[in-house]
Amino acid sequence: EIVMTQSPGTLSVSPGERATLSCRASQRVSGNLAWYQRKPGQAPRLLIYDVSTRATGIPARFSGSGSGTEFTLTISSLQSEDFAVYYCQQYNNWPPWTFGQGTKVEIK
Amino acid sequence: QVQLVESGGGLVKPGGSLRLSCAASGFTFSDYYMSWVRQAPGKGLEWVSYISSSGSTTHYADSVKGRFTISRDSAKNSLHLQMNSLRADDTAVYFCARDHNAGYSDYWGQGTLVTVSS
Repeated sequence: EIVMTQSPGTLSVSPGERATLSCRASQRVSGNLAWYQRKPGQAPRLLIYDVSTRATGIPARFSGSGSGTEFTLTISSLQSEDFAVYYCQQYNNWPPWTFGQGTKVEIK
Repeated sequence: QVQLVESGGGLVKPGGSLRLSCAASGFTFSDYYMSWVRQAPGKGLEWVSYISSSGSTTHYADSVKGRFTISRDSAKNSLHLQMNSLRADDTAVYFCARDHNAGYSDYWGQGTLVTVSS
């Protein structure tokens, strides 16, 4: 099973600032990595797939990068609606499909 | 537009059973793989089960193998999760999700809460 580790656990950012979230896989996952946003009471939302492709309707301030075992989600200028928990997920070796433990982005 | 609506959650005693359903609309259900993913209180997302578009292939997380059964009814555009021998650690919000080629999940439902408690 591939273990996904996200850091930091919590990120305190002021609106308008950049947020950089990290995700590390215990084995190489090639380009098979996605990022999701989760807000309380809402369905998880796909942000990024295949490491760097934005899902339909996702603003350009969200970007993904990385390769091998190290990946990054960057939010270039945080808006109020971006404060949420973010999860990475690998879909290279399955089952199981595995998620990171999440990074909470909170208002500083 | 794509819609996934879960139902069937509730309070059940340890050892009990529950059947979750997910009504799909806005896309050709029979073309897509589907999954169940859960989130326990204060925890992260955990993949639970997967079913291929034809229903011929299923996978389960080790934590639910032998207790949960995933199925689909393409005539009714619905996905199901039969949960038996429920334990306290099965308490979670359960989401159904549409999968893209057995990879990432591009649409999710709002979830249904399952609480296992005596």
